[in-house]
Amino acid sequence: QVTLRESGPALVKPTQTLTLTCTFSGFSLTTPGMCVSWIRQPPGKALEWLALIDWDDDKYYNTSLTTRLTISKDTSENQVVLRMTNLDPLDTATYFCARGNRGRGSAFDIWGQGTMVTVSS
Amino acid sequence: SYVLTQPPSVSVAPGKTARITCEGNNIGSKSVHWYQQKPGQAPVLVIYYDSDRPSGIPERFSGSNSGSTATLTISRVEAGDEADYYCQVWEITSDHVLFGGGTKLTVL
Repeated sequence: QVTLRESGPALVKPTQTLTLTCTFSGFSLTTPGMCVSWIRQPPGKALEWLALIDWDDDKYYNTSLTTRLTISKDTSENQVVLRMTNLDPLDTATYFCARGNRGRGSAFDIWGQGTMVTVSS
Repeated sequence: SYVLTQPPSVSVAPGKTARITCEGNNIGSKSVHWYQQKPGQAPVLVIYYDSDRPSGIPERFSGSNSGSTATLTISRVEAGDEADYYCQVWEITSDHVLFGGGTKLTVL
């Protein structure tokens, strides 16, 4: 059974750095075709893709946020970490991680439950 | 930059057919995936690669993609289908995942 679970702080101050961890099970990020993305959703708004990392350690970023984002993986721990710098209240959102299994163009077939992050002083 | 346009809302009576569109320039040349999201829940994949259905998704859900429009069709709509629906593509020129703005399906 494939599962993903997001973890991180619920409250972050403006200008601070956010670090989110996606811990997964049931698959390996060393298997060709596997990838993990981060997606966020501000309250009442649409989904917004943030970043993707694949089995070959290729990384892709939302071009409007690329200067603030870093995605990395720890295959031994089955984790993917997203780091976002210079937080703003507009970054308040639920952050999801999701798996793709056919490379970067694949659908996200399994999602985590999401973690709500509030940016406020 | 590439944009996916969905109608903000679609309403349909129970038992009827709902069609949710996703428009984009030559979207027929891309692979489109569709997600259903109910309030307070994570999205669920309902159609992938234009028209394939994951296991566990009812046959009432189908998809098509041609020209500038991809369509998610839900036949014999039930109250439990009420949700937000999002289309998604991989935009190869920018190496970017794109989501549409979402469509709220209301079952009357």
